[in-house]
Amino acid sequence: NAGVTQTPKFQVLKTGQSMTLQCAQDMNHNSMYWYRQDPGMGLRLIYYSASEGTTDKGEVPNGYNVSRLNKREFSLRLESAAPSQTSVYFCASSERLYGYTFGSGTRLTVV
Amino acid sequence: GDSVTQMEGPVTLSEEAFLTINCTYTATGYPSLFWYVQYPGEGLQLLLKATKADDKGSNKGFEATYRKETTSFHLEKGSVQVSDSAVYFCALRTNTGNQFYFGTGTSLTVIP
Repeated sequence: NAGVTQTPKFQVLKTGQSMTLQCAQDMNHNSMYWYRQDPGMGLRLIYYSASEGTTDKGEVPNGYNVSRLNKREFSLRLESAAPSQTSVYFCASSERLYGYTFGSGTRLTVV
Repeated sequence: GDSVTQMEGPVTLSEEAFLTINCTYTATGYPSLFWYVQYPGEGLQLLLKATKADDKGSNKGFEATYRKETTSFHLEKGSVQVSDSAVYFCALRTNTGNQFYFGTGTSLTVIP
């Protein structure tokens, strides 16, 4: 089925470890996004990519980096994980006139 | 700046009750408005949308009307079911940018 695929679904990291969250979409969308979801805070934008080759900071970019590898793939990297980065991470893609399509999320715990 | 404000939850209703979840927005120009639903353990799914004033979005018995005069996009359903238990997010997309702005979400629990 067409959509947004995120991997992994679950991850536990120790403080200071690094990891990359992968996201791929097969809908030929130009724009892709990374959000984090925390209780009582809704969704907060970390980074987005309006088109292949461009990335921009969102509301909460500190501690993260992103790569728009090609039109399909948009990865999120934590270089040195901290407990404050414990969250559920969602990738999404969209075309200008339409809504987002979200992945199923990555539940990350940093201990 | 652009923003969305939705009623805080949690909301608990009995099956077949009437549902309203309030959403108001602040934006320049003419944004598009959306409601998303998140079931437990899943990502957000688009529930309905409206792209211009007075448009009504509808899906699965849910409705919302884009009211520019009151800058609102309230979600309604006439008779809720247990399967409607989820978190509902109101969102807007400006007509000038690529970003969405989400509300903080309203948790709905429907009891039999």
